[in-house]
Amino acid sequence: GNSVTQMEGPVTLSEEAFLTINCTYTATGYPSLFWYVQYPGEGLQLLLKATKADDKGSNKGFEATYRKETTSFHLEKGSVQVSDSAVYFCALRGGTSYGKLTFGQGTILTVHP
Amino acid sequence: DVKVTQSSRYLVKRTGEKVFLECVQDMDHENMFWYRQDPGLGLRLIYFSYDVKMKEKGDIPEGYSVSREKKERFSLILESASTNQTSMYLCASSPPQEPTSAKNIQYFGAGTRLSVL
Repeated sequence: GNSVTQMEGPVTLSEEAFLTINCTYTATGYPSLFWYVQYPGEGLQLLLKATKADDKGSNKGFEATYRKETTSFHLEKGSVQVSDSAVYFCALRGGTSYGKLTFGQGTILTVHP
Repeated sequence: DVKVTQSSRYLVKRTGEKVFLECVQDMDHENMFWYRQDPGLGLRLIYFSYDVKMKEKGDIPEGYSVSREKKERFSLILESASTNQTSMYLCASSPPQEPTSAKNIQYFGAGTRLSVL
């Protein structure tokens, strides 16, 4: 079956530091890949997505590239801000019906001033 | 903007109680989902529905049931709440599945934090 593995957290950074959160997946066929973000006290919001190999998703300074050869979708940001403190979830949607998502375990990011 | 509304942000219930968690979406989406979120486990799918009165089990359906009598509303039911069902519950909705559609995105509610004592 499908699975998603994220790097262990929590991650603590200083403002303006470079961020990488690793995500690898196992899936049959050609899944779509997503990063969702959950700010404190809120539900999940879509951060970015990629639907085919070599696509790069980007939003709010975050980027992730769909790498089929390494089955990875690592999230990066060049300069984090305190407001980026949140929980980040990597997810995949397989080719099966109804758009079910499989999520990673989530990575807590804390950014200090 | 899509809005997914969960009726309660926090609930405290007793062991053995019947618990209803309600979710309403305003975008006429066909698909609706219930997840539970636990630290270190991410989100796990409990049930989903692809149409009115239709439902499918997710990865962890035991101890739960669902109801979808109207397209906009999807209810999660704990027939007899237990302490191991203490968790954050998240509802989501999405338009009909198109395998490679960039528009097929799940929209989430703010969540209901349920404590079973």
